[in-house]
Amino acid sequence: EAQVTQNPRYLITVTGKKLTVTCSQNMNHEYMSWYRQDPGLGLRQIYYSMNVEVTDKGDVPEGYKVSRKEKRNFPLILESPSPNQTSLYFCASSKGGPPDTQYFGPGTRLTVL
Amino acid sequence: AQSVTQPDIHITVSEGASLELRCNYSYGATPYLFWYVQSPGQGLQLLLKYFSGDTLVQGIKGFEAEFKRSQSSFNLRKPSVHWSDAAEYFCAVGAGSGTYKYIFGTGTRLKVLA
Repeated sequence: EAQVTQNPRYLITVTGKKLTVTCSQNMNHEYMSWYRQDPGLGLRQIYYSMNVEVTDKGDVPEGYKVSRKEKRNFPLILESPSPNQTSLYFCASSKGGPPDTQYFGPGTRLTVL
Repeated sequence: AQSVTQPDIHITVSEGASLELRCNYSYGATPYLFWYVQSPGQGLQLLLKYFSGDTLVQGIKGFEAEFKRSQSSFNLRKPSVHWSDAAEYFCAVGAGSGTYKYIFGTGTRLKVLA
């Protein structure tokens, strides 16, 4: 089954404790992206990647890192999480960039205390 | 700078009534435009998209949208709403050259009355 998977689905952590949210797709997609969703703000793009070793900033990259060492994986790294990074995070992938259809993962709900 | 505005935060309609959700965008070139739906506790699903050609776009679940360049709008419509359409709807614009970013609107939450 074609899908985008994220792990963990739920995470509660404390300020400053490094964490990684994994994202994997099995569709051989070139484009992958991370978003955060906050009430009243919709989805905001954090980072995206057009291919292996090619990443670029979205609108809200501060406090986040990404890497794309393999085509199927695109982990999101929070090296020193802060409470304002408490959010619902979505990973998505598509064959290419816009206008190709993005397929979204189920989301990761992160709480930083 | 690119931006997407969804002026209606909440909309309530009766089952069987028609629906129009508004979306206005700001973008320097011809945009790629999208509508997504998010059911409670779920991820996002693409309803339809516009990238060229016919300005009236048909999507899944009986939805359609019309691209109006003169009004910078891409409104979503459905002639008869079903209770299962209750969800949050997001309009988005994608850049296709130079950068490959997406900008989403803040969403419209649809409530359907039986």
